[in-house]
Amino acid sequence: IQLTQSPSSLSASVGDRVTITCRASQGISSYLAWYQQKPGKAPKLLIYAASTLQSGVPSRFSGSGSGTDFTLTISSLQPEDFATYYCQQLNSYLFGPGTKVDIK
Amino acid sequence: QVQLVQSGAEVKKPGASVKVSCKASGYTFTSYGISWVRQAPGQGLEWMGWISAYNGNTNYAQKLQGRVTMTTDTSTSTAYMELRSLRSDDTAVYYCARLLSSRFRKYAFDIWGQGTMVTVSS
Repeated sequence: IQLTQSPSSLSASVGDRVTITCRASQGISSYLAWYQQKPGKAPKLLIYAASTLQSGVPSRFSGSGSGTDFTLTISSLQPEDFATYYCQQLNSYLFGPGTKVDIK
Repeated sequence: QVQLVQSGAEVKKPGASVKVSCKASGYTFTSYGISWVRQAPGQGLEWMGWISAYNGNTNYAQKLQGRVTMTTDTSTSTAYMELRSLRSDDTAVYYCARLLSSRFRKYAFDIWGQGTMVTVSS
């Protein structure tokens, strides 16, 4: 099962609504997680089971989808959200290629 | 608090082996599996394998089969990842991560170690 993410990068401003898409090559039910990684740091879990917010993660992050198409949405981008975001499918633990979010 | 603390950076020559440790604290070690993930400079995340801290069962990425061994020491709540026959393209940051799961479902990697840089160079 392969994962693709789009876009591969995006530029956005503080306060923008940002949506990142992850697509699986075959259905994976809701076995999908989202991570945020900042330079020089370990990834941080944001969302698991496609739409469950990890404890302590701000509510501006949300996830949706099932089967092959999934989205991560940041409702109002904050300065600390500029990072790279990865999806991961939990059948074979494969990660998507990542989406870099930087400042416009 | 729940944390995974990894061993320090390593520099190895091609053909050598490296063993990275990951010490868990703040939770019952045998109740969770541990995965290893690596990240080459400027690249994405690559899953390497998983080990059950309960019974030692392992599942390795096909790409690394035969070169990687994952073990645990439950007496010290420590997981280990050994990679043999190192090549320059094994240069990466290596992370351990706790697998959040139930009996019937795997959810995500919820706790990560700080990472260990392994450099392979002659």
